[in-house]
Amino acid sequence: KNQVEQSPQSLIILEGKNCTLQCNYTVSPFSNLRWYKQDTGRGPVSLTIMTFSENTKSNGRYTATLDADTKQSSLHITASQLSDSASYICVVSADSGYALNFGKGTSLLVTP
Amino acid sequence: NAGVTQTPKFRILKIGQSMTLQCTQDMNHNYMYWYRQDPGMGLKLIYYSVGAGITDKGEVPNGYNVSRSTTEDFPLRLELAAPSQTSVYFCASSYSGGTNEKLFFGSGTQLSVL
Repeated sequence: KNQVEQSPQSLIILEGKNCTLQCNYTVSPFSNLRWYKQDTGRGPVSLTIMTFSENTKSNGRYTATLDADTKQSSLHITASQLSDSASYICVVSADSGYALNFGKGTSLLVTP
Repeated sequence: NAGVTQTPKFRILKIGQSMTLQCTQDMNHNYMYWYRQDPGMGLKLIYYSVGAGITDKGEVPNGYNVSRSTTEDFPLRLELAAPSQTSVYFCASSYSGGTNEKLFFGSGTQLSVL
């Protein structure tokens, strides 16, 4: 069964600090891995998309890494801002069909 | 740019009532999707469409119907609302179904069935 597990479930950090969110998956065959940011009451917004051959991708202060061998990904947020408070969702796509496998998300709270 | 627009934002239904969730996009995207997001759970695909006149079931289609008469609009119909359909519904679109294609989401419709 295809699964996407994210950790931690929630995280609180001080403004200006860095943090790393984890994603482990058992989706096969693997096509790509995406990270989304979802603000409260809003739809998810794409941060990064990585294919099998990519092991890192950045979008401003967000850097995603992918280890396809261990089936793990991480999202690193640098110099956090209050606006980074959101849920971060890891999504893994298999080759077959249009079903994306969504993780439950990590809820991040950045405090002053 | 409006992007993907969903209406209404909130709705309360009684068991057995019906309603249509509206979704429209102005990006000329061919592919459109409906997802539901239950509390503490990942999004699940309900239905999707690869173009006007073409729709197909996702993971959790029971209790829902869709139609795609135009490229822009992809309404989701609940015929006999049940408490299990209490959820947040997201419409999304993409230009194609390519593996690296970015999905654009609407702001969601929060539905409660009581």
